[in-house]
Amino acid sequence: AQRVTQPEKLLSVFKGAPVELKCNYSYSGSPELFWYVQYSRQRLQLLLRHISRESIKGFTADLNKGETSFHLKKPFAQEEDSAMYYCALSGTGRRALTFGSGTRLQVQP
Amino acid sequence: NAGVTQTPKFQVLKTGQSMTLQCAQDMNHNSMYWYRQDPGMGLRLIYYSASEGTTDKGEVPNGYNVSRLNKREFSLRLESAAPSQTSVYFCASSEVFGELKAFFGQGTRLTVV
Repeated sequence: AQRVTQPEKLLSVFKGAPVELKCNYSYSGSPELFWYVQYSRQRLQLLLRHISRESIKGFTADLNKGETSFHLKKPFAQEEDSAMYYCALSGTGRRALTFGSGTRLQVQP
Repeated sequence: NAGVTQTPKFQVLKTGQSMTLQCAQDMNHNSMYWYRQDPGMGLRLIYYSASEGTTDKGEVPNGYNVSRLNKREFSLRLESAAPSQTSVYFCASSEVFGELKAFFGQGTRLTVV
């Protein structure tokens, strides 16, 4: 079975502060990990995926297989980063995405 | 540039009533999914359709049925609504099943009283 855990329901930081949204997963094979974001009144959309090793809107995430983690990081938070963030996993064998419970990021001015 | 369109956006039902949530995508995607989103539980997969003509149960299928009407449309039916089905429902599609990038609809907020 595959499982994604996001331990924080809410993360509140001030503008300019570093951000780390935690994500841990459980999966016996080689997972593919993603971060999805939902801004207020907008649909859920893909932010980034680990295989691309990309930085989107200043966010990065590194897959740590030893710690089974895929934390989302940004060195300097902006107010427009305020949103709901979901970590998701897709296992091998082409499975539908499994989502974590989400973390609401609040960036205060 | 519609992507994934869900109707209705909001719905209130009485316990025992039935309704169908509609979803259509215009990206020629093969796979479609229905998720429900509940506070503190994230998105949970209800049913999916890996390709036209096939449907399979996800994590929480009880109380729901689906129909993949054609490649574009994937509907979710509640035969006898229960308060536990109060949730926000999301439809999603991807080019192939399990593909990395899924596109989501804007959601349907359903309240069962």
